[in-house]
Amino acid sequence: EPEVTQTPSHQVTQMGQEVILRCVPISNHLYFYWYRQILGQKVEFLVSFYNNEISEKSEIFDDQFSVERPDGSNFTLKIRSTKLEDSAMYFCASSDGVMGQPQHFGDGTRLSIL
Amino acid sequence: AQSVAQPEDQVNVAEGNPLTVKCTYSVSGNPYLFWYVQYPNRGLQFLLKYITGDNLVKGSYGFEAEFNKSQTSFHLKKPSALVSDSALYFCAVRDGITGFQKLVFGTGTRLLVSP
Repeated sequence: EPEVTQTPSHQVTQMGQEVILRCVPISNHLYFYWYRQILGQKVEFLVSFYNNEISEKSEIFDDQFSVERPDGSNFTLKIRSTKLEDSAMYFCASSDGVMGQPQHFGDGTRLSIL
Repeated sequence: AQSVAQPEDQVNVAEGNPLTVKCTYSVSGNPYLFWYVQYPNRGLQFLLKYITGDNLVKGSYGFEAEFNKSQTSFHLKKPSALVSDSALYFCAVRDGITGFQKLVFGTGTRLLVSP
């Protein structure tokens, strides 16, 4: 079964540094998402992306965050100047956009800000 | 705005017994409801969904869920629990107007199945 893959599995970064989290969505999917899960808390929506532009973003997704689909297979989340509170598990998801079909999630990248 | 409530932080059940993990929701339109399971250090795995039709939906690994519109609930059930079912379970809702809108998750319920 096709999977969403995310790299790296764990990223340790100094506060204030830029970080890029990478995702390869399922190949025939058209809609892409980033969610995050702070340790012990619920999964929160960050942003959705379709046709090379952001469809929707949450209040968490401020100017420090950006997303990009640099080629036909990758989908990235960039945090420009990381803060301690950015420490979380970041999940990428994709869907084919057909009404009612589920989003498929990757295994996540654990981001630790020191 | 959509919201999901999972009133139990943890559910304990003995292997072989039936299990129920509760979920209630609030949406402005027709709900699209999902259950996901998360094993340690893994992502969210899709279990089952309710879109329309029969109120009892069946999913992966013997799980099923019952949609109740009047009670705005979508409880996850399994007739006979396995130790391997021990994991974190998330209920999620999506507004049914479009096929690509975000999921809103509950806080999760940890299921612990004892041998």
